[in-house]
Amino acid sequence: QKEVEQDPGPLSVPEGAIVSLNCTYSNSAFQYFMWYRQYSRKGPELLMYTYSSGNKEDGRFTAQVDKSSKYISLFIRDSQPSDSATYLCAVNDYKLSFGAGTTVTVRA
Amino acid sequence: GAVVSQHPSWVICKSGTSVKIECRSLDFQATTMFWYRQFPKQSLMLMATSNEGSKATYEQGVEKDKFLINHASLTLSTLTVTSAHPEDSSFYICSARDSETQNTQAFFGQGTRLTVV
Repeated sequence: QKEVEQDPGPLSVPEGAIVSLNCTYSNSAFQYFMWYRQYSRKGPELLMYTYSSGNKEDGRFTAQVDKSSKYISLFIRDSQPSDSATYLCAVNDYKLSFGAGTTVTVRA
Repeated sequence: GAVVSQHPSWVICKSGTSVKIECRSLDFQATTMFWYRQFPKQSLMLMATSNEGSKATYEQGVEKDKFLINHASLTLSTLTVTSAHPEDSSFYICSARDSETQNTQAFFGQGTRLTVV
């Protein structure tokens, strides 16, 4: 069983829509959860990190962690074409375990 | 945020030669760095964990004699692909964890695209 499961998509939405991304994880001991954004041929860029359960908001981005269901989410409000990228969830024990990444396209 | 610099960003080499990739943490110290490999449209695959002053820990299936890792200082780790072959062509990415904020964040370099011809 993979430590982190993420639907690879692809996901295509019109500009201004809400993008909803989700992952599930297997080990209830994980405490740190991250979302990374990766543009083509570039290294991943840390978007959000969350400790334990709860919500965290940063501008148009909201990260949610529900430890009871081992479910993590990222929401992007008022999506822009520049948000088109691959989004990777990750859990942090000692080393990062990544989901497969979801490719998002925001259509102008 | 913290900056991790990876060099070169792309390299083309002949089959049988060796290639060295550098990963530097520019504004923080990193006792631990990680090396990943990424194939097109796939997620990052952890190759090895690099610990400053000690031997790297390789993931199962990764040949340690082919992918030599050196972490000689708190700000520099290198990955050398020895006797490269076309199947080694890939996107290699390093990440570094700030020694002071261990569990919370890992920062990535911009990646190195290796093409072996």
